[in-house]
Amino acid sequence: DGGITQSPKYLFRKEGQNVTLSCEQNLNHDAMYWYRQDPGQGLRLIYYSQIVNDFQKGDIAEGYSVSREKKESFPLTVTSAQKNPTAFYLCASSLGQGISYEQYFGPGTRLTVT
Amino acid sequence: AQSVTQPDIHITVSEGASLELRCNYSYGATPYLFWYVQSPGQGLQLLLKYFSGDTLVQGIKGFEAEFKRSQSSFNLRKPSVHWSDAAEYFCAVGGADKLIFGTGTRLQVFP
Repeated sequence: DGGITQSPKYLFRKEGQNVTLSCEQNLNHDAMYWYRQDPGQGLRLIYYSQIVNDFQKGDIAEGYSVSREKKESFPLTVTSAQKNPTAFYLCASSLGQGISYEQYFGPGTRLTVT
Repeated sequence: AQSVTQPDIHITVSEGASLELRCNYSYGATPYLFWYVQSPGQGLQLLLKYFSGDTLVQGIKGFEAEFKRSQSSFNLRKPSVHWSDAAEYFCAVGGADKLIFGTGTRLQVFP
């Protein structure tokens, strides 16, 4: 079955620690995205990548970093510089770049930082 | 600037009743418009999309949406709601190379 895998589903960290969220897709999609979801705020774009070894900042990239070394993988690191890291994080992918391509979403990772 | 407004934060309907979720957008050119649904603690699933052509768009699960350029709206409708439709619904507008999401409408369905 093709799809997007995010792990773990729940993640707990202490303040000041970096944490990496995993996102893997086997859809052979070129583009991948990371969104942050907070109650009442919809989804906000953190980073996106249209091809391997290339990525762009979204609307709220501060305190986050990404890499795209393989087509199927797009891990997100939440650094200690992110002031409010507790949130629900969603990864998505699409066949090509541009919004005409449907984005497929993973099940999400809920990160809690205390 | 592009933006999406979903004026209703929370809607409650009885099972079998009709449903309309409102979405208004702001975009300079012809918009690409989407409706997504999210069950609690899950990712988003695309219900339907509008790019061009017929302004009434049919989607999955019996949903439809109508694009009205004069009103800058893309409201989602369903003639008869099922209990399994309880979820959060997001409208999104696409421009350049990214989607802009509304803040969502939570749908509650009573038996």
